[in-house]
Amino acid sequence: GQNIDQPTEMTATEGAIVQINCTYQTSGFNGLFWYQQHAGEAPTFLSYNVLDGLEEKGRFSSFLSRSKGYSYLLLKELQMKDSASYLCAVRGLTGGSYIPTFGRGTSLIVHP
Amino acid sequence: GAVVSQHPSRVICKSGTSVKIECRSLDFQATTMFWYRQFPKQSLMLMATSNEGSKATYEQGVEKDKFLINHASLTLSTLTVTSAHPEDSSFYICSATNREAKETQYFGPGTRLLVL
Repeated sequence: GQNIDQPTEMTATEGAIVQINCTYQTSGFNGLFWYQQHAGEAPTFLSYNVLDGLEEKGRFSSFLSRSKGYSYLLLKELQMKDSASYLCAVRGLTGGSYIPTFGRGTSLIVHP
Repeated sequence: GAVVSQHPSRVICKSGTSVKIECRSLDFQATTMFWYRQFPKQSLMLMATSNEGSKATYEQGVEKDKFLINHASLTLSTLTVTSAHPEDSSFYICSATNREAKETQYFGPGTRLLVL
């Protein structure tokens, strides 16, 4: 089975930097994803890590350490529109197939 | 990026009726489609994995006779909630994996189902 843990809620100030952590336990690791989900909408893809290290994409960066079962999503220059839920998803081997499992999501509140 | 559509976006039905939700990949061929359910303030719960031309693989605890999934083509999968009850009210989201970009799931906009 798979187990994914991320904080329930975080708050940050507009213009600041925030780091959302995700720890996981899985068998047959095959990639970690971060998604952004606004209330009432479907998730949108942010990043994908399968090798250790940092992947940078504009204001968003994602880091992975497979040996530690750990990832983080870094958001820089926060904007009000970044207020959303951020989902960490891990793809692992389940029943012979690679299936993604989602964490509960971290609700980020950005205030002025 | 790849686009996935869902129809309808919102549906209200009476208890006991059946509801069909369509998921389409508009500009790519989806080898695999996933169906999720999401309750308020909770994460996405995978219901089933659907591969084109074969039977869907259901997650533990999901009744296959109640949630009928058909993946007839590389661009269309349907989820039918049979004999819906109020506890089936939820946000249903599909996603699709592109042949060329297996790493990424592309999500549909979701269907909000309310069973009265």
